[in-house]
Amino acid sequence: GAVVSQHPSRVICKSGTSVKIECRSLDFQATTMFWYRQFPKQSLMLMATSNEGSKATYEQGVEKDKFLINHASLTLSTLTVTSAHPEDSSFYICSATKREPYEQYFGPGTRLTVT
Amino acid sequence: GQNIDQPTEMTATEGAIVQINCTYQTSGFNGLFWYQQHAGEAPTFLSYNVLDGLEEKGRFSSFLSRSKGYSYLLLKELQMKDSASYLCAVGDSNYQLIWGAGTKLIIKP
Repeated sequence: GAVVSQHPSRVICKSGTSVKIECRSLDFQATTMFWYRQFPKQSLMLMATSNEGSKATYEQGVEKDKFLINHASLTLSTLTVTSAHPEDSSFYICSATKREPYEQYFGPGTRLTVT
Repeated sequence: GQNIDQPTEMTATEGAIVQINCTYQTSGFNGLFWYQQHAGEAPTFLSYNVLDGLEEKGRFSSFLSRSKGYSYLLLKELQMKDSASYLCAVGDSNYQLIWGAGTKLIIKP
């Protein structure tokens, strides 16, 4: 199997605070991890791609200073939403790939609500 | 540019068959994926096509024509639990997945 976990599954925070979301591949080493966000009734939007030990590659329009990604090991990546605002409220989903095939295994997602 | 097109919404009847189409234009092609996503949940993998033809997996089948830039997902013997969004995604030349907006499938009794 290929299981990806995410923690927390749901978080509510106050505006101006920072929130860290963890993504772990439980039974495989992930060559690459991806972070997505999804607004209600919309498709997945890729935020960034990260490889272990190197800087994340951010998609156009995604602020790297606001969405900090750390890929410390082959099984763990973290996304920190800094100085969160209500417009950052969204469903954040991570995924991980093995070397081949490059099917993406998704975590269960984290629902962030900023009040 | 890169583009994935699929219908926004489809409705079908329990027990029937439905075909969800996906057309794509991408820089390079390294396979086409179909994912199922229930509301409020993360996507789950359904199928992967890299060669032309039909791949059958139980009630679900996926077809690919690379020359036409076209795929479809066929769902048979529809069940109420099949109500979900179905996402088409194509791997480009950099092995990045380009995602379609998803097709919301509504199943009626």
